Amino acid sequence: AQSVTQLDSQVPVFEEAPVELRCNYSSSVSVYLFWYVQYPNQGLQLLLKYLSGSTLVKDINGFEAEFNKSQTSFHLRKPSVHISDTAEYFCAVRTSGGSYIPTFGRGTSLIVHP
Amino acid sequence: GAGVSQSPSNKVTEKGKDVELRCDPISGHTALYWYRQSLGQGLEFLIYFQGNSAPDKSGLPSDRFSAERTGGSVSTLTIQRTQQEDSAVYLCASSSQQGSQETQYFGPGTRLLVL
Repeated sequence: AQSVTQLDSQVPVFEEAPVELRCNYSSSVSVYLFWYVQYPNQGLQLLLKYLSGSTLVKDINGFEAEFNKSQTSFHLRKPSVHISDTAEYFCAVRTSGGSYIPTFGRGTSLIVHP
Repeated sequence: GAGVSQSPSNKVTEKGKDVELRCDPISGHTALYWYRQSLGQGLEFLIYFQGNSAPDKSGLPSDRFSAERTGGSVSTLTIQRTQQEDSAVYLCASSSQQGSQETQYFGPGTRLLVL
Protein backbone atom coordinates (compact mmCIF):
# COMPACT_ATOMS: atom_id res chain seq x y z
CA ALA A 1 0.00 0.00 0.00
CA GLN A 2 1.10 3.54 -0.65
CA SER A 3 0.74 6.66 1.45
CA VAL A 4 1.28 10.38 1.00
CA THR A 5 2.33 12.92 3.60
CA GLN A 6 1.96 16.65 3.17
CA LEU A 7 3.67 18.00 6.24
CA ASP A 8 2.34 21.54 6.04
CA SER A 9 -1.38 22.06 6.39
CA GLN A 10 -1.04 25.77 5.72
CA VAL A 11 1.67 27.88 4.09
CA PRO A 12 1.34 31.69 4.27
CA VAL A 13 3.58 33.67 1.96
CA PHE A 14 3.82 37.19 0.59
CA GLU A 15 3.19 37.93 -3.05
CA GLU A 16 6.27 37.55 -5.29
CA ALA A 17 8.06 35.42 -2.69
CA PRO A 18 9.17 31.86 -3.48
CA VAL A 19 7.29 28.91 -2.06
CA GLU A 20 7.81 25.20 -1.57
CA LEU A 21 5.01 22.78 -0.70
CA ARG A 22 6.33 19.50 0.59
CA CYS A 23 5.15 16.04 -0.36
CA ASN A 24 6.61 12.73 0.73
CA TYR A 25 5.31 9.32 -0.22
CA SER A 26 5.89 5.72 0.68
CA SER A 27 5.48 2.80 -1.66
CA SER A 28 7.13 -0.55 -2.19
CA VAL A 29 6.76 -0.32 -5.96
CA SER A 30 7.26 2.25 -8.68
CA VAL A 31 4.90 5.19 -8.56
CA TYR A 32 3.35 7.96 -10.58
CA LEU A 33 3.10 11.29 -8.78
CA PHE A 34 0.65 14.13 -9.20
CA TRP A 35 -0.04 17.61 -7.89
CA TYR A 36 -3.59 18.91 -8.04
CA VAL A 37 -4.85 22.40 -7.22
CA GLN A 38 -8.29 23.22 -5.84
CA TYR A 39 -9.52 26.80 -6.00
CA PRO A 40 -12.34 27.83 -3.65
CA ASN A 41 -15.63 26.11 -4.43
CA GLN A 42 -14.18 24.22 -7.35
CA GLY A 43 -13.06 20.67 -8.06
CA LEU A 44 -9.45 19.58 -8.32
CA GLN A 45 -7.41 20.38 -11.40
CA LEU A 46 -4.22 18.64 -12.44
CA LEU A 47 -1.20 20.89 -12.01
CA LEU A 48 1.76 18.59 -12.68
CA LYS A 49 2.51 14.92 -13.00
CA TYR A 50 5.57 12.72 -13.03
CA LEU A 51 5.30 9.46 -14.94
CA SER A 52 8.83 8.74 -16.14
CA GLY A 53 11.83 10.39 -17.72
CA SER A 54 13.04 13.77 -16.50
CA THR A 55 12.58 14.06 -12.77
CA LEU A 56 11.82 17.78 -13.02
CA VAL A 57 8.39 18.64 -14.36
CA LYS A 58 7.08 22.14 -15.00
CA ASP A 59 3.85 23.87 -15.94
CA ILE A 60 3.26 27.02 -17.94
CA ASN A 61 2.39 29.08 -14.87
CA GLY A 62 5.81 28.71 -13.24
CA PHE A 63 5.18 25.76 -10.94
CA GLU A 64 7.66 22.92 -10.91
CA ALA A 65 8.10 19.70 -8.99
CA GLU A 66 11.02 17.34 -8.73
CA PHE A 67 10.79 13.62 -8.19
CA ASN A 68 13.48 12.49 -5.76
CA LYS A 69 13.45 8.72 -5.50
CA SER A 70 16.06 8.48 -2.75
CA GLN A 71 14.15 10.89 -0.55
CA THR A 72 10.74 9.65 -1.73
CA SER A 73 9.66 13.23 -2.29
CA PHE A 74 7.84 15.26 -4.91
CA HIS A 75 7.97 18.83 -3.59
CA LEU A 76 6.18 21.60 -5.45
CA ARG A 77 7.94 24.93 -5.95
CA LYS A 78 7.30 28.31 -7.48
CA PRO A 79 9.93 31.06 -7.56
CA SER A 80 7.43 33.94 -7.34
CA VAL A 81 3.81 33.51 -6.26
CA HIS A 82 0.78 35.60 -7.15
CA ILE A 83 -2.34 36.34 -5.17
CA SER A 84 -4.21 34.12 -7.62
CA ASP A 85 -2.15 31.11 -6.51
CA THR A 86 -4.07 31.07 -3.24
CA ALA A 87 -5.65 27.62 -3.21
CA GLU A 88 -5.49 24.14 -1.74
CA TYR A 89 -2.79 21.90 -3.20
CA PHE A 90 -2.98 18.11 -3.09
CA CYS A 91 -0.21 15.63 -3.76
CA ALA A 92 -1.25 12.18 -5.00
CA VAL A 93 0.47 8.89 -5.78
CA ARG A 94 -0.53 5.91 -7.86
CA THR A 95 1.40 2.70 -8.28
CA SER A 96 2.64 2.06 -11.80
CA GLY A 97 1.48 -1.50 -12.07
CA GLY A 98 -1.24 -2.11 -9.57
CA SER A 99 -4.32 -0.33 -8.33
CA TYR A 100 -5.62 2.54 -10.42
CA ILE A 101 -6.92 4.22 -7.31
CA PRO A 102 -4.68 7.11 -6.26
CA THR A 103 -3.87 8.02 -2.69
CA PHE A 104 -4.12 11.70 -1.86
CA GLY A 105 -2.39 13.71 0.81
CA ARG A 106 -4.40 15.87 3.19
CA GLY A 107 -3.63 19.00 1.22
CA THR A 108 -1.70 22.20 1.86
CA SER A 109 -3.46 25.51 1.92
CA LEU A 110 -1.32 28.13 0.19
CA ILE A 111 -2.25 31.63 1.30
CA VAL A 112 -0.65 34.46 -0.63
CA HIS A 113 -0.73 37.86 1.07
CA PRO A 114 -0.32 41.17 -0.77
CA GLY B 1 -15.71 20.63 -24.32
CA ALA B 2 -17.83 19.83 -21.31
CA GLY B 3 -16.10 18.70 -18.17
CA VAL B 4 -17.35 16.53 -15.35
CA SER B 5 -20.59 17.84 -13.93
CA GLN B 6 -22.24 17.08 -10.62
CA SER B 7 -25.66 17.81 -9.22
CA PRO B 8 -26.88 19.21 -7.02
CA SER B 9 -24.10 21.62 -6.18
CA ASN B 10 -25.42 21.93 -2.64
CA LYS B 11 -27.73 19.68 -0.64
CA VAL B 12 -29.11 20.24 2.83
CA THR B 13 -30.98 17.34 4.36
CA GLU B 14 -32.24 16.15 7.70
CA LYS B 15 -30.67 13.31 9.60
CA GLY B 16 -32.23 10.01 8.60
CA LYS B 17 -33.22 11.04 5.08
CA ASP B 18 -31.83 9.46 1.93
CA VAL B 19 -29.92 11.50 -0.64
CA GLU B 20 -28.84 10.91 -4.22
CA LEU B 21 -25.86 12.64 -5.78
CA ARG B 22 -25.33 12.60 -9.51
CA CYS B 23 -22.19 12.64 -11.64
CA ASP B 24 -21.96 13.11 -15.39
CA PRO B 25 -18.45 12.17 -16.52
CA ILE B 26 -16.69 13.44 -19.60
CA SER B 27 -18.11 11.72 -22.66
CA GLY B 28 -16.10 8.64 -23.56
CA HIS B 29 -14.38 8.32 -20.21
CA THR B 30 -14.57 4.74 -19.05
CA ALA B 31 -13.25 5.18 -15.51
CA LEU B 32 -15.24 6.99 -12.82
CA TYR B 33 -14.34 7.64 -9.20
CA TRP B 34 -16.21 8.97 -6.17
CA TYR B 35 -14.37 10.66 -3.30
CA ARG B 36 -15.39 12.33 -0.08
CA GLN B 37 -13.65 15.47 1.15
CA SER B 38 -14.27 16.46 4.73
CA LEU B 39 -13.21 19.79 6.20
CA GLY B 40 -9.45 19.84 6.68
CA GLN B 41 -9.07 16.33 5.33
CA GLY B 42 -7.71 14.96 2.11
CA LEU B 43 -9.71 13.01 -0.39
CA GLU B 44 -11.17 9.77 0.85
CA PHE B 45 -11.72 7.22 -1.91
CA LEU B 46 -15.21 5.74 -1.97
CA ILE B 47 -15.80 3.72 -5.14
CA TYR B 48 -14.32 3.15 -8.61
CA PHE B 49 -16.03 2.07 -11.83
CA GLN B 50 -14.15 0.90 -14.91
CA GLY B 51 -16.13 0.04 -18.01
CA ASN B 52 -18.30 -3.01 -17.51
CA SER B 53 -16.15 -4.48 -14.75
CA ALA B 54 -17.44 -4.95 -11.24
CA PRO B 55 -16.87 -1.74 -9.28
CA ASP B 56 -14.24 -1.46 -6.57
CA LYS B 57 -16.33 -0.64 -3.50
CA SER B 58 -13.51 -0.98 -1.01
CA GLY B 59 -13.73 2.64 0.12
CA LEU B 60 -17.41 2.80 0.99
CA PRO B 61 -17.57 3.59 4.73
CA SER B 62 -20.75 1.68 5.51
CA ASP B 63 -23.61 -0.22 3.91
CA ARG B 64 -25.62 3.01 3.92
CA PHE B 65 -23.51 4.08 0.94
CA SER B 66 -24.05 2.66 -2.53
CA ALA B 67 -23.39 3.74 -6.08
CA GLU B 68 -24.34 2.68 -9.55
CA ARG B 69 -23.31 3.61 -13.03
CA THR B 70 -25.88 3.25 -15.75
CA GLY B 71 -24.86 2.54 -19.32
CA GLY B 72 -21.24 3.16 -18.52
CA SER B 73 -21.86 6.88 -18.20
CA VAL B 74 -23.85 8.68 -15.49
CA SER B 75 -23.29 7.62 -11.90
CA THR B 76 -25.42 8.07 -8.81
CA LEU B 77 -24.10 7.90 -5.25
CA THR B 78 -26.84 7.14 -2.73
CA ILE B 79 -26.56 7.66 1.00
CA GLN B 80 -29.35 6.12 3.01
CA ARG B 81 -30.39 7.23 6.49
CA THR B 82 -27.93 10.12 6.45
CA GLN B 83 -25.97 10.97 9.57
CA GLN B 84 -24.35 14.25 10.54
CA GLU B 85 -20.90 12.77 9.97
CA ASP B 86 -21.84 12.30 6.31
CA SER B 87 -21.60 16.07 5.87
CA ALA B 88 -18.80 16.67 3.38
CA VAL B 89 -18.05 17.56 -0.22
CA TYR B 90 -18.54 14.60 -2.53
CA LEU B 91 -16.31 14.73 -5.57
CA CYS B 92 -16.58 12.74 -8.76
CA ALA B 93 -13.74 12.24 -11.24
CA SER B 94 -13.40 10.48 -14.56
CA SER B 95 -10.50 9.43 -16.75
CA SER B 96 -10.22 8.27 -20.31
CA GLN B 97 -9.07 4.72 -19.86
CA GLN B 98 -7.82 2.21 -17.40
CA GLY B 99 -4.29 2.96 -16.42
CA SER B 100 -2.60 4.66 -13.53
CA GLN B 101 -0.94 7.20 -15.83
CA GLU B 102 -4.24 8.68 -16.81
CA THR B 103 -5.19 12.11 -15.51
CA GLN B 104 -8.35 12.33 -13.48
CA TYR B 105 -10.75 15.14 -14.28
CA PHE B 106 -12.78 16.30 -11.32
CA GLY B 107 -16.23 17.78 -11.07
CA PRO B 108 -16.99 20.77 -8.84
CA GLY B 109 -18.45 18.56 -6.13
CA THR B 110 -21.68 18.36 -4.19
CA ARG B 111 -21.66 19.96 -0.76
CA LEU B 112 -23.81 17.87 1.54
CA LEU B 113 -24.95 19.18 4.90
CA VAL B 114 -26.86 16.87 7.20
CA LEU B 115 -28.70 18.67 9.96
